[in-house]
Amino acid sequence: GAVVSQHPSWVICKSGTSVKIECRSLDFQATTMFWYRQFPKQSLMLMATSNEGSKATYEQGVEKDKFLINHASLTLSTLTVTSAHPEDSSFYICSAGTASNQPQHFGDGTRLSIL
Amino acid sequence: QKEVEQNSGPLSVPEGAIASLNCTYSDRGSQSFFWYRQYSGKSPELIMSIYSNGDKEDGRFTAQLNKASQYVSLLIRDSQPSDSATYLCAVNRYSSASKIIFGSGTRLSIRP
Repeated sequence: GAVVSQHPSWVICKSGTSVKIECRSLDFQATTMFWYRQFPKQSLMLMATSNEGSKATYEQGVEKDKFLINHASLTLSTLTVTSAHPEDSSFYICSAGTASNQPQHFGDGTRLSIL
Repeated sequence: QKEVEQNSGPLSVPEGAIASLNCTYSDRGSQSFFWYRQYSGKSPELIMSIYSNGDKEDGRFTAQLNKASQYVSLLIRDSQPSDSATYLCAVNRYSSASKIIFGSGTRLSIRP
């Protein structure tokens, strides 16, 4: 149980392109989904927290107009990187949870490369 | 002071030995504690959850929690080369119901 599917696994695109990443909880309803970014050999960095039906809460320093998050249902959240640039190249990982005393379950991540 | 602190390592342990990974946290009201394993280039996967003081065993893994000392650890018995990974300690933030705080991870290397 507790499977989180993230799509796509890899994206390579030109600078200026907008990229959408999907995160789905397949066998449970996720009240909260989280988006992380991880650069090579660095720690997970929480970007934002999203709750179904409400606006995402962004961490300090994360541009909400650049990283658009939509959490339209209890099983789907999307992250759109708008007008992506090479410095946005990173490993983006989503996770989903049901309650604060329960663990988060991670998707497989999306490797984004902006040329 | 970081909310969740781990030694970054690398921690090198011979195959077959016990690997001991440690984590301290600052929020005394924290209630839930998790250990995740992350292989290079992959996303984290949950290994253990622990909620009460004492030990919790699952196969070769034992999680230990001491809330008075604000300390949680993970023991890996009979370490295998496949255990080589980064281990992330995660703690729920009592004051924020929807967020779990991750440590920066300890890199573990099991040498044959």
